[in-house]
Amino acid sequence: NAGVTQTPKFQVLKTGQSMTLQCAQDMNHEYMSWYRQDPGMGLRLIHYSVGAGITDQGEVPNGYNVSRSTTEDFPLRLLSAAPSQTSVYFCASSPGTGIHEQYFGPGTRLTVT
Amino acid sequence: AQTVTQSQPEMSVQEAETVTLSCTYDTSESDYYLFWYKQPPSRQMILVIRQEAYKQQNATENRFSVNFQKAAKSFSLKISDSQLGDAAMYFCAYRLSYGKLTFGQGTILTVHP
Repeated sequence: NAGVTQTPKFQVLKTGQSMTLQCAQDMNHEYMSWYRQDPGMGLRLIHYSVGAGITDQGEVPNGYNVSRSTTEDFPLRLLSAAPSQTSVYFCASSPGTGIHEQYFGPGTRLTVT
Repeated sequence: AQTVTQSQPEMSVQEAETVTLSCTYDTSESDYYLFWYKQPPSRQMILVIRQEAYKQQNATENRFSVNFQKAAKSFSLKISDSQLGDAAMYFCAYRLSYGKLTFGQGTILTVHP
């Protein structure tokens, strides 16, 4: 199993540009989520999904869209990039909530200039 | 909203010694789950240990153990016989049985040879 994969690993955008961060998992996990990591703030939840066709907002959803058309894929779209979205982005999946471990991808470092 | 607080931005320990990382959380729920994740310089998030709130016995995983004080809402991580490979950022996290994972701000652990 490849686990959770994210592409790209690094990205530089100009303010106002849009892009999609890709996330895929091959473990047939129902639960997937996106986090951003900023210094001194830990990981904050952006959006999450409890299954194909179902998504919901997390703590910091503004400026981001998600969709979940398949169990495997959970892309994150930046609609109009802003410098405040400079961060490291992690995708994670788990077979459920509760005690289940979340499996994280390697992260994407995004810089918006 | 649930909050998780790690009051130690940085900690250091000598190789082979023991160190304890602190974590407190705020919740009005009685059924929840607690986690410690490790993030080494590679940026990969790795589950260290987890604890169900309904279990009074503290979880242990080899050199890692927790001191779970439910009434005090405290969940500290003890690392025994510290090794150079333990150097990382450590995150405490909280989750309800049906809900999202909430992370603390993180503690950077340095291990001195």
